[in-house]
Amino acid sequence: EDQVTQSPEALRLQEGESSSLNCSYTVSGLRGLFWYRQDPGKGPEFLFTLYSAGEEKEKERLKATLTKKESFLHITAPKPEDSATYLCAVQNFGNEKLTFGTGTRLTIIP
Amino acid sequence: GAVVSQHPSWVICKSGTSVKIECRSLDFQATTMFWYRQFPKQSLMLMATSNEGSKATYEQGVEKDKFLINHASLTLSTLTVTSAHPEDSSFYICSAREVRNSAPGAFFGQGTRLTVV
Repeated sequence: EDQVTQSPEALRLQEGESSSLNCSYTVSGLRGLFWYRQDPGKGPEFLFTLYSAGEEKEKERLKATLTKKESFLHITAPKPEDSATYLCAVQNFGNEKLTFGTGTRLTIIP
Repeated sequence: GAVVSQHPSWVICKSGTSVKIECRSLDFQATTMFWYRQFPKQSLMLMATSNEGSKATYEQGVEKDKFLINHASLTLSTLTVTSAHPEDSSFYICSAREVRNSAPGAFFGQGTRLTVV
């Protein structure tokens, strides 16, 4: 069974203080790993898809990286508007289903 | 970018009544739509996968007679919660996959907060 574990559960940073969020996964055959941002009371907003170990993608202050066991979402010099819950999900080659982690609730303090 | 519209954003209903939630892909054709449920501080749990013109495939533990899914066109899927009870109160989210896009969940709706009283 596919599993996704995200850490930490919650993270508070000062504005400008860079950090990383972790997503550890277990999947028999990784088709893709997805990162989303979710604001309270809203649906997830797509950020990145990573397909193979060593791959990296960037968008503004965010950079996602992937290894065979985990993915990191690095946030550089965050701003208060980056406050949200960040979700990680994996897709197995065997089916279309996405398995989600419980997310990291990120708070950026001005 | 592709937009998925979900309606309503929130609904309150009485126990025993039915509620319908709509999910529309506004600028693309969605061959497959996914319905998720999210409880507070928990991850999104897939309820069912629906392909246009065919019956939905439900995940283990999800009652298909209680959560009716219809995907009659390439731009619209509906989820009807029948005989709703307080334990059905949750955040329901749909996701749509574009015809030419293999990513299963790139586009999500804004979610529907269901409260059953």
